[in-house]
Amino acid sequence: GAVVSQHPSRVICKSGTSVKIECRSLDFQATTMFWYRQFPKKSLMLMATSNEGSKATYEQGVEKDKFLINHASLTLSTLTVTSAHPEDSSFYICSPRPRDYPYEQYFGPGTRLTVT
Amino acid sequence: SQQGEEDPQALSIQEGENATMNCSYKTSINNLQWYRQNSGRGLVHLILIRSNEREKHSGRLRVTLDTSKKSSSLLITASRAADTASYFCATDRTGGGNKLTFGTGTQLKVEL
Repeated sequence: GAVVSQHPSRVICKSGTSVKIECRSLDFQATTMFWYRQFPKKSLMLMATSNEGSKATYEQGVEKDKFLINHASLTLSTLTVTSAHPEDSSFYICSPRPRDYPYEQYFGPGTRLTVT
Repeated sequence: SQQGEEDPQALSIQEGENATMNCSYKTSINNLQWYRQNSGRGLVHLILIRSNEREKHSGRLRVTLDTSKKSSSLLITASRAADTASYFCATDRTGGGNKLTFGTGTQLKVEL
């Protein structure tokens, strides 16, 4: 099966700092990357969609200057939470869509961000 | 509002029993998918059912889809303690750019 990695799996940072989360598709190429956030015991909320080499499209209510997405290659996408605040504490999950199977979607193991 | 609403929100059963979870949605779809999530972990794809399909099986899983009622159900037969997890439905809406919209989830607990 498709392997997706996220790094780090857990991160604790102070308010005002920035945190970068990496998502890699290890055995396939992903033309599209979805980033989700999930609050405890809640559903996944789509934050943004990015295609390799182009700017991300953000969902309504998601600040693009706060959540910077870079999809520089077909196997790597990053989400940077800038000037993090406690309310940004959440579980962030990436989901790459394979280039060769555009109707499938795989999910990373998630990154638990805690902002103190 | 949520595209997918699931019920029950929580379900507790004994090992060996069947577990049924339901998902309702609001718009027309290309397909509907079910995922499983263990606590604090990523999602695992369970099954995809297309809009022109009515039922699908995979091992102990049975999924039905009723597009006229805009609803789907996931049945897990002969449940095991290892099935304890949260289960989410996700819809690929028609004209939605192939983005998945997730339901609210059902927390299943299977007790020994």
